[in-house]
Amino acid sequence: KQEVTQIPAALSVPEGENLVLNCSFTDSAIYNLQWFRQDPGKGLTSLLLIQSSQREQTSGRLNASLDKSSGRSTLYIAASQPGDSATYLCAVIDGGATNKLIFGTGTLLAVQP
Amino acid sequence: DAGVIQSPRHEVTEMGQEVTLRCKPISGHDYLFWYRQTMMRGLELLIYFNNNVPIDDSGMPEDRFSAKMPNASFSTLKIQPSEPRDSAVYFCASSVGHRNQPQHFGDGTRLSIL
Repeated sequence: KQEVTQIPAALSVPEGENLVLNCSFTDSAIYNLQWFRQDPGKGLTSLLLIQSSQREQTSGRLNASLDKSSGRSTLYIAASQPGDSATYLCAVIDGGATNKLIFGTGTLLAVQP
Repeated sequence: DAGVIQSPRHEVTEMGQEVTLRCKPISGHDYLFWYRQTMMRGLELLIYFNNNVPIDDSGMPEDRFSAKMPNASFSTLKIQPSEPRDSAVYFCASSVGHRNQPQHFGDGTRLSIL
């Protein structure tokens, strides 16, 4: 059974720092991996989607990498801003005929001004 | 563009009552998902539909939970009878066919069962 873990559970950094969030999954036979952002009282917003054949995806100050063989992904945020404060979740879709996302536990990020 | 719309945003009711949560997916999306989020268990998929047909309901916790999608623009998640342990935030999401398309989430319904 696929399990997704995120470390750390919470992170506080000063504005301007570069930071890395980690995601690991137990079964490497995934179809894709996605990173989401969740603001308090809101739904999830898709940030980046990495297909199983890809190594990384970039959007603005965000860069996500995927190492399928080791069951790991990282989300790199450059030059962090207070507006980046949110919970970040990673999720995988397993290989096979499913659209089911399996979520990690999330990392609560606080960027201090 | 209107996103995924859920109603109500908040619901407080007493144990034993019937609860109905509603979702309007993004127009043109053919997949619809219902999730539940709690502190203890995180975000879990309850059920998802493709072209209004339920595909995977393995996450539905008990027979007290049921979901329907009578047409492409509307879905309901019903709990009858409700119990305090059903208290959670329930999210609806929709997506376009291929699995490499992201899911778009509504703002959720915060459900409290007293």
